Amino acid sequence: ETGVTQTPRHLVMGMTNKKSLKCEQHLGHNAMYWYKQSAKKPLELMFVYSLEERVENNSVPSRFSPECPNSSHLFLHLHTLQPEDSALYLCASSQGASGGQYFGPGTRLTVT
Amino acid sequence: QKEVEQNSGPLSVPEGAIASLNCTYSDRGSQSFFWYRQYSGKSPELIMSIYSNGDKEDGRFTAQLNKASQYVSLLIRDSQPSDSATYLCAVNGGGFKTIFGAGTRLFVKA
Repeated sequence: ETGVTQTPRHLVMGMTNKKSLKCEQHLGHNAMYWYKQSAKKPLELMFVYSLEERVENNSVPSRFSPECPNSSHLFLHLHTLQPEDSALYLCASSQGASGGQYFGPGTRLTVT
Repeated sequence: QKEVEQNSGPLSVPEGAIASLNCTYSDRGSQSFFWYRQYSGKSPELIMSIYSNGDKEDGRFTAQLNKASQYVSLLIRDSQPSDSATYLCAVNGGGFKTIFGAGTRLFVKA
């Protein structure tokens, strides 16, 4: 176990649904990340929070909305997604910007 | 655009051999470098980090960094079938934005 948990592990949703992904880190880190991983493509950074402040927002469509209520929890709220949003969504945490990142198991999202 | 390049492979080596994985990056100001291992269907796992030129060893793994040539490599000694995975190179140029390569698939033949 890496100390980063994600729920749910699998999610199937229609394009009109609203759902949320949850991430929790038990490592005492001060930064948390959301990544998208699609087949045959590099990891795409979506959002970064440091000390609960958003510090990176990588031109992500507004149908993805992050929330970081404290340094241990991170959410990704989803609404009106498109089929091309189907991917593995990974949460990670690190200590500072230069520390290595520890990933959760991911949420496999399918948009129908 | 800042890039991290890796040969997609697959790289096939016999059990017990040394596997050599390479990565080049475009941002000359990069400061932190990482290698992750990702098994099929799993999430990436941090295996090495390196911050200064030279070699860093951890068990069977050695990371090598050459900032002048803008490359970083990972050597795996005494390769085992359990090392078969995709290896991701990641580079941080400052701030919280880490750029990942697309990964090299390694296959270790028993």
